[in-house]
Amino acid sequence: GAVVSQHPSWVICKSGTSVKIECRSLDFQATTMFWYRQFPKQSLMLMATSNEGSKATYEQGVEKDKFLINHASLTLSTLTVTSAHPEDSSFYICSARSGAGYGYTFGSGTRLTVV
Amino acid sequence: KNEVEQSPQNLTAQEGEFITINCSYSVGISALHWLQQHPGGGIVSLFMLSSGKKKHGRLIATINIQEKHSSLHITASHPRDSAVYICAVQGNQFYFGTGTSLTVIP
Repeated sequence: GAVVSQHPSWVICKSGTSVKIECRSLDFQATTMFWYRQFPKQSLMLMATSNEGSKATYEQGVEKDKFLINHASLTLSTLTVTSAHPEDSSFYICSARSGAGYGYTFGSGTRLTVV
Repeated sequence: KNEVEQSPQNLTAQEGEFITINCSYSVGISALHWLQQHPGGGIVSLFMLSSGKKKHGRLIATINIQEKHSSLHITASHPRDSAVYICAVQGNQFYFGTGTSLTVIP
């Protein structure tokens, strides 16, 4: 079946540093990938839609200069949290549509802790 | 008001019981998704529905477009089914329910 690999699974970083999260489709091409954030005990929130070869589309309230998305190939999208602050600590997860009618495949998520 | 409402929020069942989780939504959609999130956070897509009913093993998902309602059923529940089940609808954007935390006791 379709697999989306997300890396790293968890990361701890210092305030002010940047963190890059990778989302890779392993056995299919994904022209569109999605990035979500989930705070403790809350539901997923769509942050942005990542389109291969073009700019990402950000949801209202999500700072595009803080959360940089790059989708340079059909199998890789990256989310970079720039100048991270403790309030950016969250669970970040990506997904990709794995073919018409096959639904969406999710990555395993990245738990970011900013100290 | 949330665009997607799930019930119940929490559910505890004995192993073997039949379980139903409900999802109601208020927006126009092209598809509805049922997701399973395990304690570590990883998410598995269980179903994508646009009409009718789908079955996968012990899991059954139904949707009524006119009533804007979907149900996820688990037959012969097992402790390994313990997880958070999330309903998500795909309209102009994705909207997610807050999830139903299911615990199946041996």
